[in-house]
Amino acid sequence: QVHLQESGPGLVKPSETLSLLCSVSGGAVKNYDKYWGWVRQPPGKGLEWIGSIYYTGTTFFAPSLRTRVNISLDTSENTFSLTLTSVTAADTAVYYCVRQGIVVVPAYLEVWGTGTTVSVSS
Amino acid sequence: DIQMTQSPSSLSASVGDRVTITCQASHDIDNHLSWYQQKPGKPPKLLIYAASYLEEGVPSRFTGSDSEAGFSLTIDSLQPEDFATYYCQQYDDLPLTFGGGTRVDI
Repeated sequence: QVHLQESGPGLVKPSETLSLLCSVSGGAVKNYDKYWGWVRQPPGKGLEWIGSIYYTGTTFFAPSLRTRVNISLDTSENTFSLTLTSVTAADTAVYYCVRQGIVVVPAYLEVWGTGTTVSVSS
Repeated sequence: DIQMTQSPSSLSASVGDRVTITCQASHDIDNHLSWYQQKPGKPPKLLIYAASYLEEGVPSRFTGSDSEAGFSLTIDSLQPEDFATYYCQQYDDLPLTFGGGTRVDI
């Protein structure tokens, strides 16, 4: 059974870069029929897709974040990572890493990490 | 972007009730819709994908359907553990988008 676990700093200063790691156990990120992604949820609000990556390195990002976000994948470590530059208070959220099915594009989010809270504050 | 309109935003129900939540997409999304349940302090959990396919391990009292009026999630005979917030999500096109959520409480 696949398990995902996020890790990273809980506090980031405005204008700095947020970096999170997702460690995958019970399954390989080098998987032909899965995408790996990130979703966030601001306090008391709904869900926002950030982006997804395929094991080949192909990435897709939310247009609203495209200029600031990157997702990378390490098949040897069985992890994938999120970086978000120039953060502001609006980036304060719980960040989830997810495994996704594929239906032409990255699809439903079938496995979720427990989430990590990131606050942006000086 | 495809906008997902979910209704109601909240509802009150009792154990044993039948509850229906609806989700409408701003564009045709075929059956590329999933439903999630989220409890406070927990990650969302996939309930249904492809509009009506039950994820493994999800109780059969959860049903997803698709009609001309939109997509629906129905919970038959609401159980205490079903009180949560529910989200729909489309994956017909990028960016992936979610409905605003429906909070189901007592």
